[in-house]
Amino acid sequence: ETGVTQTPRHLVMGMTNKKSLKCEQHLGHNAMYWYKQSAKKPLELMFVYSLEERVENNSVPSRFSPECPNSSHLFLHLHTLQPEDSALYLCASSQGWTATGELFFGEGSRLTVL
Amino acid sequence: GDSVTQMEGPVTLSEEAFLTINCTYTATGYPSLFWYVQYPGEGLQLLLKATKADDKGSNKGFEATYRKETTSFHLEKGSVQVSDSAVYFCALSVLTNAGKSTFGDGTTLTVKP
Repeated sequence: ETGVTQTPRHLVMGMTNKKSLKCEQHLGHNAMYWYKQSAKKPLELMFVYSLEERVENNSVPSRFSPECPNSSHLFLHLHTLQPEDSALYLCASSQGWTATGELFFGEGSRLTVL
Repeated sequence: GDSVTQMEGPVTLSEEAFLTINCTYTATGYPSLFWYVQYPGEGLQLLLKATKADDKGSNKGFEATYRKETTSFHLEKGSVQVSDSAVYFCALSVLTNAGKSTFGDGTTLTVKP
């Protein structure tokens, strides 16, 4: 049983749709992350939130919009996506800027853009 | 900047064979080092970690030793099982980089009966 829960696990959407991915962590952590995992590409860090404040935005297109209403929840709002955005989106959490930097991942949301 | 280079895959082994997946790194500070594993259809999970030079991380029969002199953190297991088939990621985290992790590209391991 994972301490980080992602919903939905699978999502199919058209390029004109608007949808959201949800992540919830039950570990009492204060930092949360969105990663993108595409086939045959390295794991890509998209956004980092610490204490509900965005501290990292790695040149991600504006069609991806994150939201962190509290330290336990993280959303990724999606609109007017492109087929190349099809990927596994992974949420992770950690206990802030600790020396170990260990990440706890959810099982991911598999997104297909038609 | 920080970087992690790990052995390219895929790697295919027979059950009970010895496994080594090489990992080397460059970092501007003093990193903690990790191996994560991703089983089919799942997210990444921590396999083992080491936070300072000469530390050995171990879990589920896997081991890796933090070698500062060679900037390496090679993953080893003496006898692999079919259930070890997965993608393995080497990663580092440097406190001065706000806790962000840098990942290698991943190595796919397939173990055949």
